[in-house]
Amino acid sequence: GAVVSQHPSWVICKSGTSVKIECRSLDFQATTMFWYRQFPKQSLMLMATSNEGSKATYEQGVEKDKFLINHASLTLSTLTVTSAHPEDSSFYICSASMRARGNQPQHFGDGTRLSIL
Amino acid sequence: DAKTTQPTSMDCAEGRAANLPCNHSTISGNEYVYWYRQIHSQGPQYIIHGLKNNETNEMASLIITEDRKSSTLILPHATLRDTAVYYCIVSNDYKLSFGAGTTVTVRA
Repeated sequence: GAVVSQHPSWVICKSGTSVKIECRSLDFQATTMFWYRQFPKQSLMLMATSNEGSKATYEQGVEKDKFLINHASLTLSTLTVTSAHPEDSSFYICSASMRARGNQPQHFGDGTRLSIL
Repeated sequence: DAKTTQPTSMDCAEGRAANLPCNHSTISGNEYVYWYRQIHSQGPQYIIHGLKNNETNEMASLIITEDRKSSTLILPHATLRDTAVYYCIVSNDYKLSFGAGTTVTVRA
């Protein structure tokens, strides 16, 4: 149980384009979803937290107009990297949690490797 | 969130128990101890978590000292597939702060 699916697994696109990444909880309802970014040889950094039906809460230093997050249902959150540039190339990982059930762990997707040319 | 201290790396023998230590001397009363691992190029995998009692599941055991200032993750029979970076995280809410973790290498 507690499976989180992330799509696509990898994407290569030209500078200036927008890229959408989907995160789905397959077998549970995720009241809260999280988006992380991980650069090579570094640890995960939390970008934002989203609760279903609410606006996302962004961590300090993360541009909300650059990284658009939508959490329209209890099983789907999307991250859109707008006008992507080479410095946005990274490994993006989502996670989901059933917060409504108390202290529940986060379950992670397998990540999306984004390369901007 | 309280910070944790873990060894940078550990080598373990295949088939033997792997004991991964974590210090969290500033942990507060309502903070849980979580363990995750990340195999290369994948998302982190949840292993186990606990508040003050020892916990066991199909993957591992978590031993938390009585004063809660440290804990040990035990992989009972390490396999080559357990090679990963292991993260010990303390948190009292839904946020997880990932440190550098312990790079565990299981050798045949």
